Amino acid sequence: NAGVTQTPKFQVLKTGQSMTLQCAQDMNHEYMSWYRQDPGMGLRLIHYSVGAGITDQGEVPNGYNVSRSTTEDFPLRLLSAAPSQTSVYFCASSYRQSSGNTIYFGEGSWLTVV
Amino acid sequence: DAKTTQPTSMDCAEGRAANLPCNHSTISGNEYVYWYRQIHSQGPQYIIHGLKNNETNEMASLIITEDRKSSTLILPHATLRDTAVYYCIVGRGSTLGRLYFGRGTQLTVWP
Repeated sequence: NAGVTQTPKFQVLKTGQSMTLQCAQDMNHEYMSWYRQDPGMGLRLIHYSVGAGITDQGEVPNGYNVSRSTTEDFPLRLLSAAPSQTSVYFCASSYRQSSGNTIYFGEGSWLTVV
Repeated sequence: DAKTTQPTSMDCAEGRAANLPCNHSTISGNEYVYWYRQIHSQGPQYIIHGLKNNETNEMASLIITEDRKSSTLILPHATLRDTAVYYCIVGRGSTLGRLYFGRGTQLTVWP
């Protein structure tokens, strides 16, 4: 049971390039989400999904696309990278519990846009 | 979702109890209080959550005031490995992964 797995762990992009951050979970969780964390800041929600085929925007969705074709995978796409997207990205998954919910996070992907 | 207020930083001696406060005066009746922590730059780790009653697990205790406007996370015997940023978050059970994090409290445990 690997939990939430993110790849790559580190990436450097040039402005205008595109790339996809991969996220996979093996816990059969319905709910998945992407957060970004800038230096000295808390996490901010980018996009989330409540199940395969269903996605929605969080606090800071601009510049990012997502899709959820399977329960296990929730990739985050940067269509045209900008220096403002330099950040650490965390993928997370969770499931419905009878009281509240617990979120499981990946180890993060460090992205630098130059 | 209700916002929370936490001190920016706190410190604690190793072996002593660490009491981390959180104010959430606008919390609504169906919102839970969650605590997560982030060690260095790792992914956040779930600690505990509660609705009305006090909760305890192997990591910590959560004390929620009767009016639910504030809470305290208690680490009963802090160790150096508990040095981390602690986030207090409130959210509905239906949000399921859409929790909103603030800047948290940097807890430093010293020898």
